[in-house]
Amino acid sequence: KAGVTQTPRYLIKTRGQQVTLSCSPISGHRSVSWYQQTPGQGLQFLFEYFSETQRNKGNFPGRFSGRQFSNSRSEMNVSTLELGDSALYLCASSLAPRDGGDTQYFGPGTRLTVL
Amino acid sequence: DQQVKQNSPSLSVQEGRISILNCDYTNSMFDYFLWYKKYPAEGPTFLISISSIKDKNEDGRFTVFLNKSAKHLSLHIVPSQPGDSAVYFCAARSTSGTYKYIFGTGTRLKVLA
Repeated sequence: KAGVTQTPRYLIKTRGQQVTLSCSPISGHRSVSWYQQTPGQGLQFLFEYFSETQRNKGNFPGRFSGRQFSNSRSEMNVSTLELGDSALYLCASSLAPRDGGDTQYFGPGTRLTVL
Repeated sequence: DQQVKQNSPSLSVQEGRISILNCDYTNSMFDYFLWYKKYPAEGPTFLISISSIKDKNEDGRFTVFLNKSAKHLSLHIVPSQPGDSAVYFCAARSTSGTYKYIFGTGTRLKVLA
């Protein structure tokens, strides 16, 4: 079974631009979560989508948005990029049962550099 | 408010010895805990998990211990191998109210040959 894929793997943008990142979850997984990783900050939760609905949101400004399609693929958009948005953006998918344990599986990430 | 804390940013261990990575949490509503390993320029790889109804889970060289009263979990790697050198993240999930995972800031493990 193929793992989580993310495109593109690397991206360079300039301040003020916008960017769209894509994530394809593992087949059968309905939940997709996005995280931002910066040095020393661990993984900061951005948002989670389940069945095309945003089910949860972290503490990021409204410039960060996302969506999920009917095939569970997800996109994340960042508008008006700032230097501080430079980070590794990780996508994770899971079966997302409400009861019992669940495990998120991560993609390789998209490295975004804002100049 | 860091609900999941990994207070040791780094750890060095001799090959063949035991590595113990620690994680503390503050939210008593967390009911599921996971450990991930991460190499540079790659996404985190799932290692092992534990439900709050258990106090130990073992998978090969990896064992996770959960002490609910102390709100503490630990990952034991025995024996440690040079390939285990990576950053290890613990994560916790709450199914009450919001459904999301909270990650610690990671511990960099270096296994010395």
